Amino acid sequence: QSVLTQPPSASGTPGQRVTISCSGSSSNIGSNTVNWYQQLPGTAPKLLIYSNNQRPSGVPDRFSGSKSGTSASLAISGLQSEDEADYYCAAWDDSLNGGVFGGGTKLTVL
Amino acid sequence: QVQLQESGPGLVKPSETLSLTCTVSGGSISSYYWSWIRQPPGKGLEWIGYIYYSGSTNYNPSLKSRVTISVDTSKNQFSLKLSSVTAADTAVYYCARGYGDYYDSSGYYHNWFDPWGQGTLVTVSS
Repeated sequence: QSVLTQPPSASGTPGQRVTISCSGSSSNIGSNTVNWYQQLPGTAPKLLIYSNNQRPSGVPDRFSGSKSGTSASLAISGLQSEDEADYYCAAWDDSLNGGVFGGGTKLTVL
Repeated sequence: QVQLQESGPGLVKPSETLSLTCTVSGGSISSYYWSWIRQPPGKGLEWIGYIYYSGSTNYNPSLKSRVTISVDTSKNQFSLKLSSVTAADTAVYYCARGYGDYYDSSGYYHNWFDPWGQGTLVTVSS
């Protein structure tokens, strides 16, 4: 049971826009920033979005993040086949005094 | 460009201690903080803990009684020890650099993990 809640799966067709939600509480998302990681099949997670909505160098602007209250979202526009991966949200939790992750969302490009 | 590489035994017997090392290349370990994260087969990510280059640590409360993370700045390495392992500890173990680590003017804490090592699978079995 993960501290942050994500839908287990999402899907879309090439060119479409998809969003992935991440729900938390006042001790994590409500009081800290959210990060998103992309894990391509058989590889290590890679930082996709940090500090709610910042993209590291090299991440396409098709990927965007947002946060409101105790929830966050990752949006992917112009969906491409290479976007098929698992996506994890993460945040610091003040009650646990540690990092917490969502359970992950498997994105399928139809 | 900083790179991280995990190393250690791929098989550990139940009740024994799992030991892994992460070697940092392309940059000094004497800044930032350094984390361990694991992923059981087919499951999600779990934060294990982190260590600052100064040696101060913070562990996941659910693992705290069994975890020790240490740093060797002379070798640019940090290590993980997890004692009394069971099959539930079977996972891919990742090391990662902690970045950010600051509060903004609104009081929100910023921290993230980047980059990550490629990961190493540790199986607990007799």
